[in-house]
Amino acid sequence: DVKVTQSSRYLVKRTGEKVFLECVQDMDHENMFWYRQDPGLGLRLIYFSYDVKMKEKGDIPEGYSVSREKKERFSLILESASTNQTSMYLCASSSPLAGAYNEQFFGPGTRLTVL
Amino acid sequence: GENVEQHPSTLSVQEGDSAVIKCTYSDSASNYFPWYKQELGKRPQLIIDIRSNVGEKKDQRIAVTLNKTAKHFSLHITETQPEDSAVYFCAASRWETGNQFYFGTGTSLTVIP
Repeated sequence: DVKVTQSSRYLVKRTGEKVFLECVQDMDHENMFWYRQDPGLGLRLIYFSYDVKMKEKGDIPEGYSVSREKKERFSLILESASTNQTSMYLCASSSPLAGAYNEQFFGPGTRLTVL
Repeated sequence: GENVEQHPSTLSVQEGDSAVIKCTYSDSASNYFPWYKQELGKRPQLIIDIRSNVGEKKDQRIAVTLNKTAKHFSLHITETQPEDSAVYFCAASRWETGNQFYFGTGTSLTVIP
């Protein structure tokens, strides 16, 4: 059973702080994704990665960066947190080896509040 | 890029009735359409999916239909139960773009006992 974990369920930070959100998956998946979820806006892709040290911008990358130094770990970084980054952040992973049509498995989410 | 629209945003049904959620997509090259269910406070989980070479797929009380010509797909839940209450997301994906999912904005389904 795929397990995707995120470092925190709830996080409160102040404007201007540097914030790290960590995601770890234990199924040796190549692909990892970071989304933010806001009411009425659905799930919007921030960044994704196909392999270690590789990253691709999603639909809303502004204000975020990512790091993937190990296959199982994908970090989302808010260089200088702002109040409009208050949101639920979801990590997901998938494997292209599962076939052309492959499920994304989600973590439990991190509810980030920026004051 | 792909644009997925989902309707309605909220839906209330009586227990035992059917529920239908509709999505449209813009990229005719999209070839995989998953549906995710997110219960309150929990992570989204895949409940059913359909590939572009199939018109309909069923799994017990849920079914998904795909109309490639019209570029829309729908989720059908029959004999709804209170545990079906959740937010449902549709998505479209194209294998050639590396499994990037484009999600709809979600439908909050409430099943009234």
